[in-house]
Amino acid sequence: ETGVTQTPRHLVMGMTNKKSLKCEQHLGHNAMYWYKQSAKKPLELMFVYNFKEQTENNSVPSRFSPECPNSSHLFLHLHTLQPEDSALYLCASSPKGLAGGFEQFFGPGTRLTVL
Amino acid sequence: KQEVTQIPAALSVPEGENLVLNCSFTDSAIYNLQWFRQDPGKGLTSLLLIQSSQREQTSGRLNASLDKSSGRSTLYIAASQPGDSATYLCAVYQAGTALIFGKGTTLSVSS
Repeated sequence: ETGVTQTPRHLVMGMTNKKSLKCEQHLGHNAMYWYKQSAKKPLELMFVYNFKEQTENNSVPSRFSPECPNSSHLFLHLHTLQPEDSALYLCASSPKGLAGGFEQFFGPGTRLTVL
Repeated sequence: KQEVTQIPAALSVPEGENLVLNCSFTDSAIYNLQWFRQDPGKGLTSLLLIQSSQREQTSGRLNASLDKSSGRSTLYIAASQPGDSATYLCAVYQAGTALIFGKGTTLSVSS
């Protein structure tokens, strides 16, 4: 595997379900990000982890819970979501965190549909 | 607060045309600017990254320019092909914040 991978690629869940999205980077980077892309809106940052520490939470509702066990893996745990949470969730990584404008590399995304 | 605007929102051209996509940003204090391509339902593919000290970058048929003082960037695509059909996103890097994206320009190239 190379680059940034995400699983699953597609996910359909009910509002009462609990699911998790997984991201893995094979680039030796130290920072990882979750972005949300909704229809007709720009990509928006959700969370940033730098050296496994969360450094940014962009006012994301608590029904989204990130986890970063090491610099290569990032999870997004989902529970009691709403239909408006349906979107493409993108993971990215960079050599370091937000300071310095390091180039970010993106995964293919998980298309989430909440029924 | 930084805002990134892309014009036009959609563009349809016949194959072979040269075209320009525009990106503007409100705060010139940026590190870098990056152009991405996104195919329907897919992730982002990086096309070109321009550092704030650079004026342009080229890759194949693509050329991106940056004018920090005026808050503008353009992506020039030469001799467009149907395979170029996609959404093109512009994003800027600023100190202490994540990438700030525009809404994109959806390009359709007909054969």
